[in-house]
Amino acid sequence: KAGVTQTPRYLIKTRGQQVTLSCSPISGHRSVSWYQQTPGQGLQFLFEYFSETQRNKGNFPGRFSGRQFSNSRSEMNVSTLELGDSALYLCASSLGTENEKLFFGSGTQLSVL
Amino acid sequence: AQTVTQSQPEMSVQEAETVTLSCTYDTSESDYYLFWYKQPPSRQMILVIRQEAYKQQNATENRFSVNFQKAAKSFSLKISDSQLGDAAMYFCAYRSPFLDDKIIFGKGTRLHILP
Repeated sequence: KAGVTQTPRYLIKTRGQQVTLSCSPISGHRSVSWYQQTPGQGLQFLFEYFSETQRNKGNFPGRFSGRQFSNSRSEMNVSTLELGDSALYLCASSLGTENEKLFFGSGTQLSVL
Repeated sequence: AQTVTQSQPEMSVQEAETVTLSCTYDTSESDYYLFWYKQPPSRQMILVIRQEAYKQQNATENRFSVNFQKAAKSFSLKISDSQLGDAAMYFCAYRSPFLDDKIIFGKGTRLHILP
């Protein structure tokens, strides 16, 4: 079974631009969640999608948005990039129950200049 | 609101020795789930072990075990016979039983294995 795939692995953008990150979950997984990882804040939850519906949302501004397609693939969009958005963005997939483990991708390292 | 605290930003242990990573959490729920995830240099996080709060028995996975103290809201990870491949960032995580609640991670502990 293929693992969780995130593309691209690295991205460099400038302030004010927008960016779209992609996550392909493990086949059969209906839940995809996104996290922002920074050295200072650790791992922070962005949002979770389950069967194309946003099920949970973290405390991030509206510039951060996402969506999930019928094949469970998910995209995350950040508009009007700020320097502070530089981070490792991780996505994880699961079947969608609360006690099961998350399967993570290798992340997209975003640098905003 | 629930919080997860890992008080040790970094730790070191000699190869083959035992190390314990600390995690405390705060919640008003009586039922919940706790996890330890490992993030090696490859960046891909992997589940190490999980514990259901309603289970009194501490979870064990090979060389990894937890000390779950529900009353103290403590969930420490013990790694026995430490190996070089155990070097990684370790994150403690909490999840409530409600599906519309988010998972909460601690800030992590970087573990170094000394040969």
